[in-house]
Amino acid sequence: GAGVSQSPRYKVAKRGQDVALRCDPISGHVSLFWYQQALGQGPEFLTYFQNEAQLDKSGLPSDRFFAERPEGSVSTLKIQRTQQEDSAVYLCASSLMRATNTEAFFGQGTRLTVV
Amino acid sequence: AQTVTQSQPEMSVQEAETVTLSCTYDTSESNYYLFWYKQPPSRQMILVIRQEAYKQQNATENRFSVNFQKAAKSFSLKISDSQLGDTAMYFCAFSLDSNYQLIWGAGTKLIIKP
Repeated sequence: GAGVSQSPRYKVAKRGQDVALRCDPISGHVSLFWYQQALGQGPEFLTYFQNEAQLDKSGLPSDRFFAERPEGSVSTLKIQRTQQEDSAVYLCASSLMRATNTEAFFGQGTRLTVV
Repeated sequence: AQTVTQSQPEMSVQEAETVTLSCTYDTSESNYYLFWYKQPPSRQMILVIRQEAYKQQNATENRFSVNFQKAAKSFSLKISDSQLGDTAMYFCAFSLDSNYQLIWGAGTKLIIKP
């Protein structure tokens, strides 16, 4: 596609519900990143994929968060048993090369609200 | 650990004026990259400008330029001839040459008034 696509754009979940957030990166981009952006704050790193390999998941806040990219293209961020503190915008970015010193292209994010 | 600080939560200027957004960072590394991103209400992060730490020359992109002071660990963004479309959140970000993740400041809300 022309850009990074994320779906859904908005998600309201009841506390305790499981959610799945999808990211379609730019075709051919090797690197894929997930960030969490709380209201009024800058994004915080969650996890990084190089093709299908998850090379860094140090930013995942708990074992309720799980990300995958099984075929090296589309990625899914899953949050189990959602809590109110999970409410945030989840941003996905992809880049052609391995490191972020080349341009990372961002999607429009998924705004998750846990009620 | 690396940190990025943006000390101006909000700024407001008249259209066509020049505005400077501040950013300081902390790192013990000598090689790294610095970025300014723009985030409009659509939430999509858009790269404005990028600076490699090993380059002494300040980066410029049309109306956008940076003042990179490596010794002071300062990386400010200057927007000349500001336009209404520049209204957005602006984030300063940092990445290590050998690392993947971006480390972000808290952002500055920039409002351009007609």
